[in-house]
Parts: sequence; structure tokens; C-alpha cells
Amino acid sequence: EDQVTQSPEALRLQEGESSSLNCSYTVSGLRGLFWYRQDPGKGPEFLFTLYSAGEEKEKERLKATLTKKESFLHITAPKPEDSATYLCAAANAGNNRKLIWGLGTSLAVNP
Amino acid sequence: ETGVTQTPRHLVMGMTNKKSLKCEQHLGHNAMYWYKQSAKKPLELMFVYSLEERVENNSVPSRFSPECPNSSHLFLHLHTLQPEDSALYLCASSQVGPPSSYNSPLHFGNGTRLTVT
Repeated sequence: EDQVTQSPEALRLQEGESSSLNCSYTVSGLRGLFWYRQDPGKGPEFLFTLYSAGEEKEKERLKATLTKKESFLHITAPKPEDSATYLCAAANAGNNRKLIWGLGTSLAVNP
Repeated sequence: ETGVTQTPRHLVMGMTNKKSLKCEQHLGHNAMYWYKQSAKKPLELMFVYSLEERVENNSVPSRFSPECPNSSHLFLHLHTLQPEDSALYLCASSQVGPPSSYNSPLHFGNGTRLTVT
């Protein structure tokens, strides 16, 4: 069964303390691995798409990487404004219109 | 306006009411989606309109009824809802290619927070 698992469930960091969020996936024929950021009371905001193992993408303090089994979202020197829930989703080859979503990691960055 | 806009932002309704949620996308995409987001659960896909074809999640109760009059507008009609239907309802859009192509990202609105009393 296709599945996406995110860890940790919650993470609290001090400003400047770098860390990584994990997204483990089991899907048949990955057609895209997506990272989103969601702030309270808002919809998810698209961050990155990764399509193949070894691919990396960066945006400001965020860097997403992909292997054949998992994806990491690395946060370098985070700031309080990086506090949000980070969602991961995977698309499989069997049904391109349906994403398999994780439960998210709630990140809090203290000043 | 840009992106995906949803109205209303908040809705409180009784179990016997009929209401509708509205979504409009200004991105030129050819697919639109309704998602339900509940605490401690992954995002649940309810309906997809893609290339003028409707795809449903068979577990969605019939008290939810979608309507997509064109590629830019999407509605979710609600009637005789239950308290467990209280959730954040998210609309999204994307550009869909051939079935063998890779998925393009979804772009979400800010949702309608629905409370059923």
C-alpha cells in the first residue's frame, strides 16, 4: 500500500539551529515528491518538487533532497518566520491525480 | 486577483442548512480539486475536475456535491451535513498533462473553515 510518513511530528528549534525534516515514502513508480509549507489558517504553499533520486532543490534557508526511499527538508540557520507545518506528498504512477500525503511536521523556531 | 481564491473564509451552518463553497483560480490551470483537512489526518482528496472529467473519491458522502461550470470556477454544495464534517475545506488547481507525465504541483487557496452545529 502506498504510504508517506513524516518525522518528527513536531520540532522546536532555537533561531540559527539547523536541522532536517524527514519524509519516508513507499509508492509505486514515483511521479513527483512535493513539499509544502502551511501557516495557521492558510492553505498549503508549494515549496519544491523532486522527481528523481539524487535531485536537490534550494530556496533561501531550505534545501530539499530525494533518495529512492525518502526525502529530507534541510533548514539552515532557521528564523522565527520559518515556523509552520511542513507537508510532504508523493504521486505514484498508478493514479497521477491523487497524491499520498503525510501528516506533516510542525516546526517552531524560537528567537 | 492572482492565485486561488476561496469564499467564504468561515462558515457556520446547522445540520439542516444548504450552503455552497466557492473557488476561483486565476492561474490558467486545467484541473481543480476539493480537499478536506481535519486535525491529525492527512489531506483527503474529495473531488477532481480534470480536462472536463470528474473524478470522485468513492468514500465522500452524497451530502457533498461538486460543480465545475468552467475551468476557472469550482463549487462545493453542502446539504444536511453532520458535525463530523466540520473541517477546513481546501480548493486547489494544477496543470495536468498526459497520463504518463509527471505531476505538476497543486496550488491551494486559503480554505473555508466549516463548522457544523
